[in-house]
Amino acid sequence: DGGITQSPKYLFRKEGQNVTLSCEQNLNHDAMYWYRQDPGQGLRLIYYSQIVNDFQKGDIAEGYSVSREKKESFPLTVTSAQKNPTAFYLCASARGGGVDEKLFFGSGTQLSVL
Amino acid sequence: GESVGLHLPTLSVQEGDNSIINCAYSNSASDYFIWYKQESGKGPQFIIDIRSNMDKRQGQRVTVLLNKTVKHLSLQIAATQPGDSAVYFCAENTGAGSYQLTFGKGTKLSVIP
Repeated sequence: DGGITQSPKYLFRKEGQNVTLSCEQNLNHDAMYWYRQDPGQGLRLIYYSQIVNDFQKGDIAEGYSVSREKKESFPLTVTSAQKNPTAFYLCASARGGGVDEKLFFGSGTQLSVL
Repeated sequence: GESVGLHLPTLSVQEGDNSIINCAYSNSASDYFIWYKQESGKGPQFIIDIRSNMDKRQGQRVTVLLNKTVKHLSLQIAATQPGDSAVYFCAENTGAGSYQLTFGKGTKLSVIP
């Protein structure tokens, strides 16, 4: 099946700890994205990548880091600098970076702080 | 700044009736709009999209209407089913790239059996 796989489904972070969320896609899409979703709010863009080995900050990149070493993979690290990390994190991909590209989403990772 | 919003945060509909979910946008330069469906604990699922050079587009049981004069977008679901219960939100592309999607907060649709 083609799609976007996020893991884990649930993740818990201790104080001062960095955690990494996995996102893999087998759709052969060039563009990948990370969004944060908080209750009652719209999705907010953390980072995006339109091509391998290149990525750009989104609206709320502080406290997060990413890498794009392979076309299929776009992991997100939530660092200890992110003081309010509890949220639902969504990874998405698109065929390209054009204005009318449809974004396809993974099933999300719920991150909570212990 | 300009943003996408919704008229109704919650909507309850009887099974079999038609549902209408509304979305107001304020950026007159937006060129592309998408509706997503999100079930609890899951990622958003693409429903239908529309470009600004159109005013109506139909899919299977869904229709999107775009009124650029009043900057209004709506999603119509025909013969609403229990499986349609979810949060629906619209997104508008305010720029030149797919990373410039602005998402609304969503409307929760509850279908009464």
